[in-house]
Amino acid sequence: EIVLTQSPGTLSLSPGERATLSCRASQSVSSSYLAWYQQKPGQAPRLLIYGASSRATGIPDRFSGSGSGTDFTLTISRLEPEDFAVYYCQQYGSSPPIWTFGQGTKVEIK
Amino acid sequence: EVQLVESGGGLVQPGGSLRLSCAASGFTFSSYAMSWVRQAPGKGLEWVSAISGSGGSTYYADSVKGRFTISRDNSKNTLYLQMNSLRAEDTAVYYCATTTVTPDAFDIWGQGTMVTVSS
Repeated sequence: EIVLTQSPGTLSLSPGERATLSCRASQSVSSSYLAWYQQKPGQAPRLLIYGASSRATGIPDRFSGSGSGTDFTLTISRLEPEDFAVYYCQQYGSSPPIWTFGQGTKVEIK
Repeated sequence: EVQLVESGGGLVQPGGSLRLSCAASGFTFSSYAMSWVRQAPGKGLEWVSAISGSGGSTYYADSVKGRFTISRDNSKNTLYLQMNSLRAEDTAVYYCATTTVTPDAFDIWGQGTMVTVSS
């Protein structure tokens, strides 16, 4: 089973700054089946990025995903006040289907 | 409007059972696999179970295999999770979710229903 490790655990930044979140997999993620989610307190997660780099519908272009193999990155180019939240990466294995999440990175206001 | 609405959560004693439901609307329910994902209080996300669009194939996380059963009624646009032999560590918010764009990512989520296992 692939284990996803996110770093850092907490990122303290100011609005307008750039955020760089890392997700490292214990084995290569097939077909770049790597997604990123944003979750705010009391809310369900929201899909931001799928296929490692494709933005989901309605996601602003300040969010971008990159990477392949075992190393993936979510970048928020300029933090808006509504971007302070917890972010999770997630990988998908197809045989059999299994979805695995990282432990999350909290982006907090500095 | 695309929507998933969970129900059936509550307080149950260890060893007890509970059945969760997820009502879908706004999309062709039978065309898509559905999953349950849970989140223990203050913790991260854990995929629990998935079922194919037809209901013919089911998949489980090792942590619930043999205790939980996922099913669906496509005539009612409803997903279910039968949870037996519940343990304290099953305490969590349970979300139903689906992958309508690509198989790897959950693009539609419900609001979640809380399950508390405690005596």
